[in-house]
Amino acid sequence: EADIYQTPRYLVIGTGKKITLECSQTMGHDKMYWYQQDPGMELHLIHYSYGVNSTEKGDLSSESTVSRIRTEHFPLTLESARPSHTSQYLCASGRGGAGSYEQYFGPGTRLTVT
Amino acid sequence: EDKVVQSPLSLVVHEGDTVTLNCSYEVTNFRSLLWYKQEKKAPTFLFMLTSSGIEKKSGRLSSILDKKELFSILNITATQTGDSAVYLCAVEARTGGFKTIFGAGTRLFVKA
Repeated sequence: EADIYQTPRYLVIGTGKKITLECSQTMGHDKMYWYQQDPGMELHLIHYSYGVNSTEKGDLSSESTVSRIRTEHFPLTLESARPSHTSQYLCASGRGGAGSYEQYFGPGTRLTVT
Repeated sequence: EDKVVQSPLSLVVHEGDTVTLNCSYEVTNFRSLLWYKQEKKAPTFLFMLTSSGIEKKSGRLSSILDKKELFSILNITATQTGDSAVYLCAVEARTGGFKTIFGAGTRLFVKA
């Protein structure tokens, strides 16, 4: 079973607040990802990382930032939350290397910005 | 622009029916196609396909890839209510770095 954790699981916060969504994995995976998923819609990649000190933006324009200081930790920060940020945020990890590997997903954080 | 299109968007069947879910894609530098099952929260991995014509099988589920026609199918035989979920198709492509593009999913509901 995959060991990837996200906190908080649910968050309701007011407009303008700064928030950090936490994601940790204990599998030693090099690759980590953040996706945004609205109800009934596809997952959109917003950030990814191939290892420590490596971060890239995904296809979905996002006002969030990420950091990868440790292999196991990949937090996502919103400097100023807006109602348009209301969504589910899924973190995933995968093995590194040149091959193609499946991703393991965390349970998600459901964010509501009022 | 890279894209992954799944059909149908939703499907309602009765227990015991066989279903076929479709996934077509247009990406540059294809690497692999993956199927995931998403029930309540997080997607869970089902299959990864990299070569055409080789069927992957796990119990009542099977999948195959056609890299010439750029599509994959996921078959579920003798469906059960526990198969009710959203089935996601994702393609990993090498565009700059490695990116994974997800389709919108097929929502399957199996009636008892």
